[in-house]
Amino acid sequence: SQTIHQWPATLVQPVGSPLSLECTVEGTSNPNLYWYRQAAGRGLQLLFYSVGIGQISSEVPQNLSASRPQDRQFILSSKKLLLSDSGFYLCAWMNSGNTIYFGEGSWLTVV
Amino acid sequence: QKEVEQNSGPLSVPEGAIASLNCTYSDRGSQSFFWYRQYSGKSPELIMFIYSNGDKEDGRFTAQLNKASQYVSLLIRDSQPSDSATYLCAVGQDFNKFYFGSGTKLNVKP
Repeated sequence: SQTIHQWPATLVQPVGSPLSLECTVEGTSNPNLYWYRQAAGRGLQLLFYSVGIGQISSEVPQNLSASRPQDRQFILSSKKLLLSDSGFYLCAWMNSGNTIYFGEGSWLTVV
Repeated sequence: QKEVEQNSGPLSVPEGAIASLNCTYSDRGSQSFFWYRQYSGKSPELIMFIYSNGDKEDGRFTAQLNKASQYVSLLIRDSQPSDSATYLCAVGQDFNKFYFGSGTKLNVKP
């Protein structure tokens, strides 16, 4: 069966510091991969999605970037975090039935 | 991003009642529609999806889709306290992008 993992689960970072969140999917090949962010009490905002290695589509201009160095690996990065980057970051993958499933999420607090 | 609108709630229903959750979307080209449940501090879990106009039933859950009115709803029959959560509506476009509403918080009172 397919599983999705993301890490770290929780992190507290100072303003201006870099960020790297990683997500991997097991049990499938060439999945669509997604990064969403959920601010406190808000809905999910689509940040990036990828249909294949090296193919990244950005939905919202911001100081975040994404990369897909391997088929089942998706990385969210920032060179300098802002306070507004705080939130719950969710990686997701899409199965052959065009349904997306989420990882456990990463809580980011920028201080 | 494309708009997906939900009433934030909270929606309070007594145990055993029917909970009705609603969602509207702005893009007529939307092709797939989903309901997720999210417990506080956790990631969303898929409840069900619907692609065609009409009703789709899965256990105590029924999804209803009306593309002409750009409206999708979720009915939860025999609501249980364990159903208390935030329910997120999601809309898929081009089968690659999925946009979410801000969610409706449901409280089921024992």
